[in-house]
Amino acid sequence: SQQGEEDPQALSIQEGENATMNCSYKTSINNLQWYRQNSGRGLVHLILIRSNEREKHSGRLRVTLDTSKKSSSLLITASRAADTASYFCATPQGGSNYKLTFGKGTLLTVNP
Amino acid sequence: GAGVSQSPSNKVTEKGKDVELRCDPISGHTALYWYRQSLGQGLEFLIYFQGNSAPDKSGLPSDRFSAERTGGSVSTLTIQRTQQEDSAVYLCASSLARDRGNYGYTFGSGTRLTVV
Repeated sequence: SQQGEEDPQALSIQEGENATMNCSYKTSINNLQWYRQNSGRGLVHLILIRSNEREKHSGRLRVTLDTSKKSSSLLITASRAADTASYFCATPQGGSNYKLTFGKGTLLTVNP
Repeated sequence: GAGVSQSPSNKVTEKGKDVELRCDPISGHTALYWYRQSLGQGLEFLIYFQGNSAPDKSGLPSDRFSAERTGGSVSTLTIQRTQQEDSAVYLCASSLARDRGNYGYTFGSGTRLTVV
């Protein structure tokens, strides 16, 4: 069953703007992960945030986690055309510590 | 190698034929996963291998699908009697040993399977 659900499904912005994507999930988790996918091929792991963390940064990426609302957000600051991709959140599937469940993703388009 | 390697990159096969997809994980990664992604969809879990433990096959969609992992390294996903609905990108990933799942996956570039 779908665990992580990203919102919005698609987002189009201009270069230099910030992009925010959201993820909601249903069951308790021990971590939440964000991935990027270019051109429908392999996914690239961006960042992992543990359930006892509220915010994490990596370069231009900022991830927040609100376990009370079962939601997470991914913020990309000062976006670039190269950030154009699909972004997925993933959580360990209920009852499993290893099997990640992915949402359908947010398609981000950054226009030059 | 430095990353997860999958072959072939693309495979076109006739309906009813068998296909084998190969995955070579990162050396030292004991966990290996197969997912598939249909056009515009999220990833669907297929199977998981961890060391010498019995694999978790709970995501395999039918008995036409099978996978093995030899010597704890290379894995092969086999689809018998392919159907058009099997057309998808098949993604392999590996990660360090299961530690409450607190490791990110490294994905290969996938195999795009087209059944005609």
